[in-house]
Amino acid sequence: AQSVTQLGSHVSVSEGALVLLRCNYSSSVPPYLFWYVQYPNQGLQLLLKYTSAATLVKGINGFEAEFKKSETSFHLTKPSAHMSDAAEYFCAVSGTAGQNFVFGPGTRLSVLP
Amino acid sequence: KAGVTQTPRYLIKTRGQQVTLSCSPISGHRSVSWYQQTPGQGLQFLFEYFSETQRNKGNFPGRFSGRQFSNSRSEMNVSTLELGDSALYLCASSVIQTEQETQYFGPGTRLLVL
Repeated sequence: AQSVTQLGSHVSVSEGALVLLRCNYSSSVPPYLFWYVQYPNQGLQLLLKYTSAATLVKGINGFEAEFKKSETSFHLTKPSAHMSDAAEYFCAVSGTAGQNFVFGPGTRLSVLP
Repeated sequence: KAGVTQTPRYLIKTRGQQVTLSCSPISGHRSVSWYQQTPGQGLQFLFEYFSETQRNKGNFPGRFSGRQFSNSRSEMNVSTLELGDSALYLCASSVIQTEQETQYFGPGTRLLVL
């Protein structure tokens, strides 16, 4: 079965600092991987996705993620945090046949002035 | 193109009652999935419909059911509500039903059971 772990339920960074949110997955088949962001009282918005093309994926709002098969990781980064980046971030892996998306537990990002 | 819409946005019910939530997918999307989000359990998959057929189901009791109409709109029903059913219920749509397809989420329906 596919699974996703996100190291750190809460991450705090200063405005302008590097953002690094960690995601590791387990999958018996080459996965499709996704990062979603959720702002308070809203649904999930797709940030970026990996679909077996380029291993470095660029998304919206300056975020990017790198697929590393050897490390089974898909960490999300942004060079310079902005106050508006404060939200909850979810990593997800596409399910095997007969199963839908599997989401990680989420990481809440706080951006300090 | 309009996004996924969910109605109502907020709902308050009492234990034992039943509730129906509605989801209208993005135009042209035929797959609709439902998720329950709670602080303790995170995002949990409920079920997925494609072309009016339930294709996948998560690990939830039979009190949770759903259906999809010919226009791809979907409803989710919860009978005999329990306090633990209080959650944000999210609907997501995608063009076709494959495990790799990107899901687009609605704003959710926040259900409070008293």
